[in-house]
Amino acid sequence: KAGVTQTPRYLIKTRGQQVTLSCSPISGHRSVSWYQQTPGQGLQFLFEYFSETQRNKGNFPGRFSGRQFSNSRSEMNVSTLELGDSALYLCASTPDLTDTQYFGPGTRLTVL
Amino acid sequence: AQSVAQPEDQVNVAEGNPLTVKCTYSVSGNPYLFWYVQYPNRGLQFLLKYITGDNLVKGSYGFEAEFNKSQTSFHLKKPSALVSDSALYFCAVKSRNSGYALNFGKGTSLLVTP
Repeated sequence: KAGVTQTPRYLIKTRGQQVTLSCSPISGHRSVSWYQQTPGQGLQFLFEYFSETQRNKGNFPGRFSGRQFSNSRSEMNVSTLELGDSALYLCASTPDLTDTQYFGPGTRLTVL
Repeated sequence: AQSVAQPEDQVNVAEGNPLTVKCTYSVSGNPYLFWYVQYPNRGLQFLLKYITGDNLVKGSYGFEAEFNKSQTSFHLKKPSALVSDSALYFCAVKSRNSGYALNFGKGTSLLVTP
């Protein structure tokens, strides 16, 4: 099976812009979770989707949003970008009835 | 609330020696514990997990971890380190009722020298 794929792998944006990141889970996985990784804060949970419904949300401002489509692909959107949003954004998918998350390679977002 | 502490920012080990990467946790109820490894410019790779059962868990690439409830620890171990084991290691925890939101430690950088 193909692993979790994330596009694009690298992005450069300027402050105030918005960005959309995409994640395709492993085939058959219906749960998709998103994490932000920064040197200062480490890995922080953003949100989790299952069958197009947000089941869990981390402590991030409303500028961070996401959605999931019927084919389980997920997108996250960050509006009004700030310098502090520069990070590696990781997506993970989880098979039903297990707790093991499988991570994609991440999208490196740089905000100038 | 749930949290993980990885007390060492870096662990240095000579190739062939045993290695230990430490992790302690705090969680309400029974913990679900995980170890992941991250190589430069890559996502996280799953190594092993403890959900229930035997306190000694064996995982990928010869790694194992021991769950110790009284000390709330879940240290990662390997009997003989390889240079290729050099990477960033993350411990993570969640409780049964917290869905799929993992709480990660800050990570420990493992350097194995020839």
